[in-house]
Amino acid sequence: GAVVSQHPSRVICKSGTSVKIECRSLDFQATTMFWYRQFPKQSLMLMATSNEGSKATYEQGVEKDKFLINHASLTLSTLTVTSAHPEDSSFYICSARVAGDFTQYFGPGTRLTVL
Amino acid sequence: GEDVEQSLFLSVREGDSSVINCTYTDSSSTYLYWYKQEPGAGLQLLTYIFSNMDMKQDQRLTVLLNKKDKHLSLRIADTQTGDSAIYFCAESIPDKLIFGTGTRLQVFP
Repeated sequence: GAVVSQHPSRVICKSGTSVKIECRSLDFQATTMFWYRQFPKQSLMLMATSNEGSKATYEQGVEKDKFLINHASLTLSTLTVTSAHPEDSSFYICSARVAGDFTQYFGPGTRLTVL
Repeated sequence: GEDVEQSLFLSVREGDSSVINCTYTDSSSTYLYWYKQEPGAGLQLLTYIFSNMDMKQDQRLTVLLNKKDKHLSLRIADTQTGDSAIYFCAESIPDKLIFGTGTRLQVFP
């Protein structure tokens, strides 16, 4: 149980284009989903928290107009990197949790490379 | 403030025990977690401990929590080559997780 998937697992795009990453909870309903970013050999940095049906809460320093988050259902959240630049290249990981449970279950990550 | 620190690297021989340490600063943590990350992959939840517990054992894994010193450790008994990975501790501050810097565990034959 508690399986989270991400799609795509790897994406390469040109500078200036937009990329959408999906995060799905496969066997449970996730009232809250989180998006993290991880640079090589570094820890995870929380970008934003999204609750189903409401606007995402972004961490300080994360541009909400650049990283669009939509949590339209209890099993799906999307992160869209708009007008991507090479410095946006990173490993993006989502996680999900059930209401009343502190534990977060993580997806396998999406490697984004912007050329 | 929120700060979680770990030693960066640990090398052990196969069959020995591994102990990975973590210190945190926020005393309001409710749960503390250990996650494992293999190269190019997401995070796998290994175990967690509630902040009012001192110890939790789950098969080869033993978690010790010293709340007074804000120190958390993960002991892996009979370490195997498949345990080679990066291990992250994380503290839950109600609505979010604060991750440590990660410890790269290398197991050699």
